[in-house]
Amino acid sequence: NAGVTQTPKFQVLKTGQSMTLQCAQDMNHNSMYWYRQDPGMGLRLIYYSASEGTTDKGEVPNGYNVSRLNKREFSLRLESAAPSQTSVYFCASRIGQIEAFFGQGTRLTVV
Amino acid sequence: TQLLEQSPQFLSIQEGENLTVYCNSSSVFSSLQWYRQEPGEGPVLLVTVVTGGEVKKLKRLTFQFGDARKDSSLHITAAQPGDTGLYLCAGAGNFNKFYFGSGTKLNVKP
Repeated sequence: NAGVTQTPKFQVLKTGQSMTLQCAQDMNHNSMYWYRQDPGMGLRLIYYSASEGTTDKGEVPNGYNVSRLNKREFSLRLESAAPSQTSVYFCASRIGQIEAFFGQGTRLTVV
Repeated sequence: TQLLEQSPQFLSIQEGENLTVYCNSSSVFSSLQWYRQEPGEGPVLLVTVVTGGEVKKLKRLTFQFGDARKDSSLHITAAQPGDTGLYLCAGAGNFNKFYFGSGTKLNVKP
């Protein structure tokens, strides 16, 4: 079972560069989420998608955009990376109120 | 600041001791979950509580959801080194929003 797959696992960007983090789930879940986790902190919600075709802002959306390409895929885009966006990014999916499943994370460093 | 605040932020105890982690918010949640996260991995679900006042036990772990559904606690009895990790509470809000707490890093020394 693949579950939630994130790519890439590691990335180093220069300030001002752009990139897209990919996330795909094979569990037929309606809801998908993007979080960032900084050292010593919990996960903060960036954007989420309650269902295919819908997206909405979370706690820390500035500097990010998302696309819910279809039910399986939810991508996160950094248009102009900044050092403050250095973090570990997690994608998650869930259905209803039950367990959320997470990808392995993307470690992003912006220099 | 995060919607869900956890305390303490760090906890270092000896094997065999008991501990309690708290998760507090000013918001009401339809359900609350506790996750454990190992270094380099995503969080993994421990329990979901739905009803105000609900208590659930998972071996040496006891979870409680506050009567007003704004807070929760996790109590570990006779902690073991295998309990070491980052413990996160997460609350389900409106429109499928799903927020995590600030985290409690637990270290259990042999």
